[in-house]
Amino acid sequence: SAVISQKPSRDICQRGTSLTIQCQVDSQVTMMFWYRQQPGQSLTLIATANQGSEATYESGFVIDKFPISRPNLTFSTLTVSNMSPEDSSIYLCSTGLGGGELFFGEGSRLTVL
Amino acid sequence: GENVEQHPSTLSVQEGDSAVIKCTYSDSASNYFPWYKQELGKGPQLIIDIRSNVGEKKDQRIAVTLNKTAKHFSLHITETQPEDSAVYFCAASYSNYQLIWGAGTKLIIKP
Repeated sequence: SAVISQKPSRDICQRGTSLTIQCQVDSQVTMMFWYRQQPGQSLTLIATANQGSEATYESGFVIDKFPISRPNLTFSTLTVSNMSPEDSSIYLCSTGLGGGELFFGEGSRLTVL
Repeated sequence: GENVEQHPSTLSVQEGDSAVIKCTYSDSASNYFPWYKQELGKGPQLIIDIRSNVGEKKDQRIAVTLNKTAKHFSLHITETQPEDSAVYFCAASYSNYQLIWGAGTKLIIKP
């Protein structure tokens, strides 16, 4: 299995500011995924982050709003830029080890005022 | 586009009874169907999965059934316990890690 640590676990942010979420995996992995989960909703994939290449964004998500870094095989960051109250969500980092199962971090709960 | 419908959105059962959650998928190319459990304040965790070459899979009190013809699959939990209370998500996938998620079912176990 993979153990994923996310920081911060929660934060309250002001409108117009940016916040960077960090994700650390306890083993080297090829693909890391960033999801958004709005209150009471399902999971929506924001982007896939591969080491050494640009992240691949899903429809409706753009790099200017959600820049992602993947400097090595165990770490990734997601920045939520120019935040508005609509960005209040849980942001989840995830990865897989090749067998199909996804492992998730505990999430970063952002509240934008 | 592809979608996965999940029902019910909320399910309340008496402790000890069985719970069944159903999902229907649209993409006939889907070949992998996982179920995740999300407890309050935590990330989702895989509890059971099934591939399209199998009709049923069981793990202790949890089982999943798949009907490829009808394009639906179900999660069955028997002898429910308080710790089964959580939100359950089904998903369907046709390629590695590209999951289409259901909307989730909040399972409440009444003592």
